[in-house]
Amino acid sequence: GENVEQHPSTLSVQEGDSAVIKCTYSDSASNYFPWYKQELGKGPQLIIDIRSNVGEKKDQRIAVTLNKTAKHFSLHITETQPEDSAVYFCAASHEGFKTIFGAGTRLFVKA
Amino acid sequence: EPEVTQTPSHQVTQMGQEVILRCVPISNHLYFYWYRQILGQKVEFLVSFYNNEISEKSEIFDDQFSVERPDGSNFTLKIRSTKLEDSAMYFCASSADRAETQYFGPGTRLLVL
Repeated sequence: GENVEQHPSTLSVQEGDSAVIKCTYSDSASNYFPWYKQELGKGPQLIIDIRSNVGEKKDQRIAVTLNKTAKHFSLHITETQPEDSAVYFCAASHEGFKTIFGAGTRLFVKA
Repeated sequence: EPEVTQTPSHQVTQMGQEVILRCVPISNHLYFYWYRQILGQKVEFLVSFYNNEISEKSEIFDDQFSVERPDGSNFTLKIRSTKLEDSAMYFCASSADRAETQYFGPGTRLLVL
């Protein structure tokens, strides 16, 4: 069945450094790729998303890139801050159908 | 800012009992979803609901599960006869349209003993 692989499972960075999380998807029909941030005891919150008709999208310190040929997409967080510490999930779907989540990356930003 | 709400926040039940998890989606949204997250694992899609019927469901969503929109605001997930492996965090989400942003609620932590 469809699958989304996410790496790394844990990422520790120094405050101010960049963090990169990578995902690959298996279903070539996927065309919508959201990224969620989950803080302890809360539900996932969308931080950025990208659709298959663009290769890159940026929102302040957060950017996402998509390589449709390789079925890769990545999250880039620059100038990390302690409040960026959370679990990040990538996801993939076709037109919002049956969103498949990655396993999550636990990001630690050390002050 | 509008948000998805869920009740209860925690539910403890005995194996074999029925549970109903409740959600109030964002008021102008048309698509509703249930997900579950077993402790320490990924978020898994269960079901989506539109126009008063299930639009799609995963393999997890078997005959023990059902969803309902009993009135204009609530969206419920019922588990008929709970099993130990149903213990998880259950998230409700809603979106204005199918391919639009899904907004998640805070979740209900279900523990089956």
